[in-house]
Amino acid sequence: DTAVSQTPKYLVTQMGNDKSIKCEQNLGHDTMYWYKQDSKKFLKIMFSYNNKELIINETVPNRFSPKSPDKAHLNLHINSLELGDSAVYFCASSRNGGDGYTFGSGTRLTVV
Amino acid sequence: EDQVTQSPEALRLQEGESSSLNCSYTVSGLRGLFWYRQDPGKGPEFLFTLYSAGEEKEKERLKATLTKKESFLHITAPKPEDSATYLCAVQASGSSNTGKLIFGQGTTLQVKP
Repeated sequence: DTAVSQTPKYLVTQMGNDKSIKCEQNLGHDTMYWYKQDSKKFLKIMFSYNNKELIINETVPNRFSPKSPDKAHLNLHINSLELGDSAVYFCASSRNGGDGYTFGSGTRLTVV
Repeated sequence: EDQVTQSPEALRLQEGESSSLNCSYTVSGLRGLFWYRQDPGKGPEFLFTLYSAGEEKEKERLKATLTKKESFLHITAPKPEDSATYLCAVQASGSSNTGKLIFGQGTTLQVKP
């Protein structure tokens, strides 16, 4: 019954590897997001999709590529992982206009 | 540049000791101000949305208020289960079609029994 689910919850990988994080929402929301939370708990938006269309692409290295196969799914693929990519990545969704996101439980990525 | 600053960074209270968390913001037209609660290892959980100065919202021991420059989250007679990080975020009026939120760095509250 989870509203926004992300997999995996933990991801430990070596520098230079490529990895993906998956996100699914069953709320019928139109907009989905990826946020990055750093070690100081600061949340910053990375991408936003509305009905499978990319509408926000913040200043994010192009090693990060989001993909939305349908409006219930938003995946994040990261190429050539670097140490600085270590963080917690949150998927979220909202109705159009963004009133009150629903967040997933996060994916803790550790690059070694 | 749109910005959100929360204070204090950390707050320790005794059970029953009321206090307030502050969220100061600068934004080019405020569409909404949001409060979230985040427990360790979990995603933020939505608490309140405030849209205009003077608005107040309450939920159990929490009350959120909004002025033109800041918001307060008042915690009345807190219990240990209120311990969490409280996040404030704003949405600019120009972002209503994207839903983009700008977050503060959070206030970590610890309530001791």
